[in-house]
Amino acid sequence: GENVEQHPSTLSVQEGDSAVIKCTYSDSASNYFPWYKQELGKRPQLIIDIRSNVGEKKDQRIAVTLNKTAKHFSLHITETQPEDSAVYFCAALYGNNRLAFGKGNQVVVIP
Amino acid sequence: DSGVTQTPKHLITATGQRVTLRCSPRSGDLSVYWYQQSLDQGLQFLIQYYNGEERAKGNILERFSAQQFPDLHSELNLSSLELGDSALYFCASSVAAQGYGYTFGSGTRLTVV
Repeated sequence: GENVEQHPSTLSVQEGDSAVIKCTYSDSASNYFPWYKQELGKRPQLIIDIRSNVGEKKDQRIAVTLNKTAKHFSLHITETQPEDSAVYFCAALYGNNRLAFGKGNQVVVIP
Repeated sequence: DSGVTQTPKHLITATGQRVTLRCSPRSGDLSVYWYQQSLDQGLQFLIQYYNGEERAKGNILERFSAQQFPDLHSELNLSSLELGDSALYFCASSVAAQGYGYTFGSGTRLTVV
């Protein structure tokens, strides 16, 4: 089935520290894993994505790692800033055409 | 502005009524996806259209229906509304039938009273 799980549900970090959010997925055929950031009252926005032919991708302070064998992938945010406070959703592509999303992680960056 | 336009932004209606939500995809995108977001269920996939044809169906109730028109805009029709249908409804679009690089619209907040 289309099952994507995120841990932890809420994460509080001190400004400047790192935050890590982990997701697991159920379908070994999934080959595309994006992360979306949703600020309060706004639309989800794509922040980074990874395909199954690579193990890691970085974009400035954000990185995503993928372990296909274990069927999990993680979002890493370094040097966190107050504007990183948001809900982060991981997703996995199912049936080669649609994304199944996790339930989201609330990240709170404490100044 | 993401380029995906959803109207209306807010909708308040009574139980038993019918509403229509509208989505215009980003220029050049052929796929439209509809999602329902509620507090405890996250983003739930409802349905996908690609170039006018239904491509995939998720947890969409029989009271809900959708279509994509020749100009590629899509409408989601919700009927016999119940209190539990109150949620944010997002549409997203992508270039191809495969779900790479979704761009979301700003959503329609539906409140059923």
